[in-house]
Amino acid sequence: DAGVTQSPTHLIKTRGQQVTLRCSPKSGHDTVSWYQQALGQGPQFIFQYYEEEERQRGNFPDRFSGHQFPNYSSELNVNALLLGDSALYLCASSLARGGGTDTQYFGPGTRLTVL
Amino acid sequence: EDQVTQSPEALRLQEGESSSLNCSYTVSGLRGLFWYRQDPGKGPEFLFTLYSAGEEKEKERLKATLTKKESFLHITAPKPEDSATYLCAVQGDDTGFQKLVFGTGTRLLVSP
Repeated sequence: DAGVTQSPTHLIKTRGQQVTLRCSPKSGHDTVSWYQQALGQGPQFIFQYYEEEERQRGNFPDRFSGHQFPNYSSELNVNALLLGDSALYLCASSLARGGGTDTQYFGPGTRLTVL
Repeated sequence: EDQVTQSPEALRLQEGESSSLNCSYTVSGLRGLFWYRQDPGKGPEFLFTLYSAGEEKEKERLKATLTKKESFLHITAPKPEDSATYLCAVQGDDTGFQKLVFGTGTRLLVSP
């Protein structure tokens, strides 16, 4: 049973560029959440996708956008990259239970470096 | 706003020396408290979910407990392979759906 997968593993970009990160959820999961983790910090919630729609968003600017596909996989897009966007980007998948609590399982992350 | 504070920031133990990590939280209506383990440069690995005060869960050398204000992760007779950052997160009624609010973690180093 495959867990959550993310690609690419590492990415180096320059300021002002755009980046797309990809995530495939754990088998049987239908909800994908994205988090940003700066060095030495805990993960910060970016947004969550369910039924191909963004249903909750954290305190991140509109430069951060996403998409969920019919097969539940998801993309995170970041435009106009800033140095401060350098971080580990984590995808987590879970099973929606009418909005109830369910465990989120994380992927290995994508390390983004902005120069 | 939901908040999570973990202490200590870092902990160094000798192999076999038991200890506890603390996670204090404020949340309006706790739906769940989660413990994860994270190795450097990798994604968090799920350990436990606790739902109500008084609940306890165990896995190998780890035991998690929950009160109305805090959770403890007890590590009994740790081994060097237990070295990692341990993250605590909460999900509350006002965070909506399944958003997790994390603490900054406790970095544990177990020396042989």
